[in-house]
Amino acid sequence: GENVEQHPSTLSVQEGDSAVIKCTYSDSASNYFPWYKQELGKRPQLIIDIRSNVGEKKDQRIAVTLNKTAKHFSLHITETQPEDSAVYFCAASTLPGTGNQFYFGTGTSLTVIP
Amino acid sequence: DSGVTQTPKHLITATGQRVTLRCSPRSGDLSVYWYQQSLDQGLQFLIQYYNGEERAKGNILERFSAQQFPDLHSELNLSSLELGDSALYFCASSVVGGGTYNEQFFGPGTRLTVL
Repeated sequence: GENVEQHPSTLSVQEGDSAVIKCTYSDSASNYFPWYKQELGKRPQLIIDIRSNVGEKKDQRIAVTLNKTAKHFSLHITETQPEDSAVYFCAASTLPGTGNQFYFGTGTSLTVIP
Repeated sequence: DSGVTQTPKHLITATGQRVTLRCSPRSGDLSVYWYQQSLDQGLQFLIQYYNGEERAKGNILERFSAQQFPDLHSELNLSSLELGDSALYFCASSVVGGGTYNEQFFGPGTRLTVL
């Protein structure tokens, strides 16, 4: 089955700096890679996703890049703000299909220092 | 608000007991996923149902079972509870099947405490 590894497990940055979180996956059949943000005590929320037919996707201060050959994808947050502090999870899955197991990374706890 | 609802919000019970967690997916979503999140742990996929049928199984213990009903709501049954089962249990739903979108939307979770 799929194995998703996520690094680093914790990350502290100064406000205004950039943060980068990296994930690798093992199954070449995976073609959908979402990123979730989970604030303390709350539900995970999708912040951005990428499909394997594109190499990069951007949404304001957040971007995700995908390298299918190397089987890794990364989350980039620019101009970080204190409200970006949360745990971020990457995941891998396949689509379309009706039986989709989502494989999650172990999470990165991001702290943005004001 | 994701549109996914879970009840109850909190559940406190004793070891050896049995509990049922309930999830209602977003309107139109056919697929329901269950996850377990223990303290300081990531999301562990338990099981997925699509339109009433089990479609994918993860690290779900034999003491746990789930089902999805004709109205698409789902229930996760946890029996012979142990202290280690204390966790936050999330349900998520997605469209799946026929569409190209596979985003999952998470419910608020049920916090289970086993004493």
